[in-house]
Order: sequence, then C-alpha cells, then structure tokens
Amino acid sequence: GQNIDQPTEMTATEGAIVQINCTYQTSGFNGLFWYQQHAGEAPTFLSYNVLDGLEEKGRFSSFLSRSKGYSYLLLKELQMKDSASYLCAVRDRSDYKLSFGAGTTVTVRA
Amino acid sequence: EAGVAQSPRYKIIEKRQSVAFWCNPISGHATLYWYQQILGQGPKLLIQFQNNGVVDDSQLPKDRFSAERLKGVDSTLKIQPAKLEDSAVYLCASSFGTSSNIQYFGAGTRLSVL
Repeated sequence: GQNIDQPTEMTATEGAIVQINCTYQTSGFNGLFWYQQHAGEAPTFLSYNVLDGLEEKGRFSSFLSRSKGYSYLLLKELQMKDSASYLCAVRDRSDYKLSFGAGTTVTVRA
Repeated sequence: EAGVAQSPRYKIIEKRQSVAFWCNPISGHATLYWYQQILGQGPKLLIQFQNNGVVDDSQLPKDRFSAERLKGVDSTLKIQPAKLEDSAVYLCASSFGTSSNIQYFGAGTRLSVL
C-alpha cells in the first residue's frame, strides 16, 4: 500500500516561488506524478518522475529522491491562474495503480 | 484530440435513490478508471477496466456500486441505493495501456445525496 503526505494549504504572492513537498511510504515504487486540479475541473498532468533528480518543464519543476521517499513540485514566477490544488500520486510497482495524496491548495495573491 | 467526456456534470438525488454516470474515454485508450473524490481528499480508485474486462475492483462497494464497459469503449458507473456518504465527485480517467505513464481525467460528476 501507499501512504502519501502533502501540506493542506499554501499561500504565495504573484511572481514568487512556491515549493510543495510530498512524502510517501510504499511497498513498491514505480513513479511519482504531479497533477493540477482547478476547482470543479479535471486533474491535469504536470510531471512524472521515476528516477532521482530534477525534471524541469517551463515554470514548473519536480524533484524526486527515492531513498528518502520524497518529492517536491516547484512553481516559479507564480501567476494568478496557478491557484489550484496540486495532487501528488505514487504508482505501485506490482499493479501500476495510482494512490493520491489529499492535495495541496495553493492560493496566489496579488 | 478530444479529452475524456463525462456526464452529467452535476446530480442531486435523495438517499436510497439510484444514479448512473457515463464516461467516454479518449479514443484508442484501452484502460479506463473510475475514481471517487470526496471533498478535501485525493481521488480514490474504485474500478479499473482493460478493454471490457475488469482489472481491479477491490475498492468498489459491490453491494451498491456497479460498473460496466460492455464494448470496451464507453463506461457507466451506477449506485443503487445511494447513501449520504456517497456524496463526492466521480472522476473517470483513461490511459493508453495499464502500464502507460499518464492517466487523463474527465471533469467529473459532482453527486450530492440528500
């Protein structure tokens, strides 16, 4: 099974940087995903990490340390439209099922 | 490319009534998932189909929930009878294969049971 923890809420100012941490415990790891979910909308894929290190994609970057069971999503140059919930999900090695954290609600203020 | 389509977007019913949700996955995606997302929580997998066969339904409350994907494309999820604790957003997702990297989600059906 999976146990995934991420902060409930974070607030930041437009133009700033925010780092959302995710820690997990798993019996078999096969990748970590970050999804963005605006209120009332579908979760949309942001990033995928299966090896240790940093993956950069525009203003968003995701980091993984498998030995520490730790990942973070870094949002740079924050914009108002980045206000959303960010979901950390871990995929199981045996059945490829995704287990989601409860999500981190990020509020960007002017 | 069209995304995952779901309907209805919203549904309000009274407890003990029945309700059905519909999902049309992305064309060519063999794997289809139904998730339940309770307010303030992450999505929880209810059932997974590979084509028209069930891969995993271990978290589906089978005394009241049922799902089918008869022709390996569209899927329906039914709740009968509904309970108050079934109030949630029901998300459908699809992926090209079981071990594919990315699941694509629909906007979901928000169910309120009164």
